[in-house]
Amino acid sequence: GESVGLHLPTLSVQEGDNSIINCAYSNSASDYFIWYKQESGKGPQFIIDIRSNMDKRQGQRVTVLLNKTVKHLSLQIAATQPGDSAVYFCAENGGGGENKLTFGTGTQLKVEL
Amino acid sequence: DGGITQSPKYLFRKEGQNVTLSCEQNLNHDAMYWYRQDPGQGLRLIYYSQIVNDFQKGDIAEGYSVSREKKESFPLTVTSAQKNPTAFYLCASNQQGAGGYTFGSGTRLTVV
Repeated sequence: GESVGLHLPTLSVQEGDNSIINCAYSNSASDYFIWYKQESGKGPQFIIDIRSNMDKRQGQRVTVLLNKTVKHLSLQIAATQPGDSAVYFCAENGGGGENKLTFGTGTQLKVEL
Repeated sequence: DGGITQSPKYLFRKEGQNVTLSCEQNLNHDAMYWYRQDPGQGLRLIYYSQIVNDFQKGDIAEGYSVSREKKESFPLTVTSAQKNPTAFYLCASNQQGAGGYTFGSGTRLTVV
């Protein structure tokens, strides 16, 4: 079946460094991908999305890269700040008409001062 | 401000009781979703509704029930048939055809 997985459960970075969070997906029919940020005890917040007809999209301090050949998605956070500490989820929309998202297990990002 | 409101934030249930979690949105979104989140795991889909008076089971619907009588509201009932209900429950909504979901702030349910 379809699955969305993450390579690393925990990522520790120094404040000011760049962070890269990776995600693998297995459903080649997925046409839309999203990154969410979830702080402890709160609901996920939308960060950035990308459609399958693109391979890169940039936002404010964040960039999402999509490699459809190897079914890989990454989130890059520039100049990581303490407020970036959270769990980051990737999600994929498998297509088929219904807008149902499948979520990965998440990566805990810890920013060290 | 538009958004999704979940209540209560914390809920305690005794063994054998049914409890209902509230989810209200004022975003005029057609679709609404309920997810369950356990520690160290991703979000698992319980039920979803794409239009008023219609809903479908997700991946883990057993022991749960929903209703969608109004566009703004999508309450989730955790029944006594759900043997392991302790979890963080998240409600979400989106406009049909649009991409990402907007999430509520969640309800943490604990069995006592």
